[in-house]
Amino acid sequence: GQQLNQSPQSMFIQEGEDVSMNCTSSSIFNTWLWYKQDPGEGPVLLIALYKAGELTSNGRLTAQFGITRKDSFLNISASIPSDVGIYFCAGRTSGSARQLTFGSGTQLTVLP
Amino acid sequence: DGGITQSPKYLFRKEGQNVTLSCEQNLNHDAMYWYRQDPGQGLRLIYYSQIVNDFQKGDIAEGYSVSREKKESFPLTVTSAQKNPTAFYLCASSSRTTKDTQYFGPGTRLTVL
Repeated sequence: GQQLNQSPQSMFIQEGEDVSMNCTSSSIFNTWLWYKQDPGEGPVLLIALYKAGELTSNGRLTAQFGITRKDSFLNISASIPSDVGIYFCAGRTSGSARQLTFGSGTQLTVLP
Repeated sequence: DGGITQSPKYLFRKEGQNVTLSCEQNLNHDAMYWYRQDPGQGLRLIYYSQIVNDFQKGDIAEGYSVSREKKESFPLTVTSAQKNPTAFYLCASSSRTTKDTQYFGPGTRLTVL
C-alpha cells in the first residue's frame, strides 16, 4: 500500500516560535488533509487540500499541496500553548476508493 | 447540532469476550470508517462502508466485524479472535458532497483485562 513519511516525529519549541512539519508519499495523491489530535480525543480537521500547488491558511496555520503531488507541509506561526498535540497528515490517491493513508504523526510540545 | 458520536468513551472487558463499539452520525454522510490507534502510532483502517448493507475490509480486519443496517450507524464488534484488542478506536464518516473529507468521532478506549 501507499507509504506516508511524516517528519519530524516530535518537536519541542518555545512559545512564539514558528513550526514546520511535512509529509512525503511514495505515490501521487489527489487529496492532502491535516488533522490535530488532543490526548484521548478524535482528530480534528485543520486544513484540506485538493489541488497541486494549493496553499491554504486557517488562522495561524498554513498548508500546501506540493507541486509533485507527493508531498505537503504544514506551518504554524507564533505558536501558543494550546497548539500542543499530535498533528497528522493524511492523503488519498485516485485509485484508493475513499480510503485515506495516514502519517505516523508529529508530537508538538510548546514550552512557555 | 451535527456530528459523530461514539459510545462508550471507556470500555473494559475480560479476555475472551466479544464487545461492540457504537458509532452514530447525523451528518447524512454515506461512508463510514473504523480505525484503530495504538500509542505513538498513526491510524490503521479496520473496516469501511460506502453504503447501507455493504462494507469492505481495511488493512487490519482480522478479529473484527461490522454491520451497516442504517445509514447513521456503523457498530464495530471486537471479537475474541482479535489477539491484541486493547487500543483506541476511532470512527469517521465522509460524503462525496464534501470531497470525502473524513470527520472523526471522539473515540472509544478499549481495555481488555
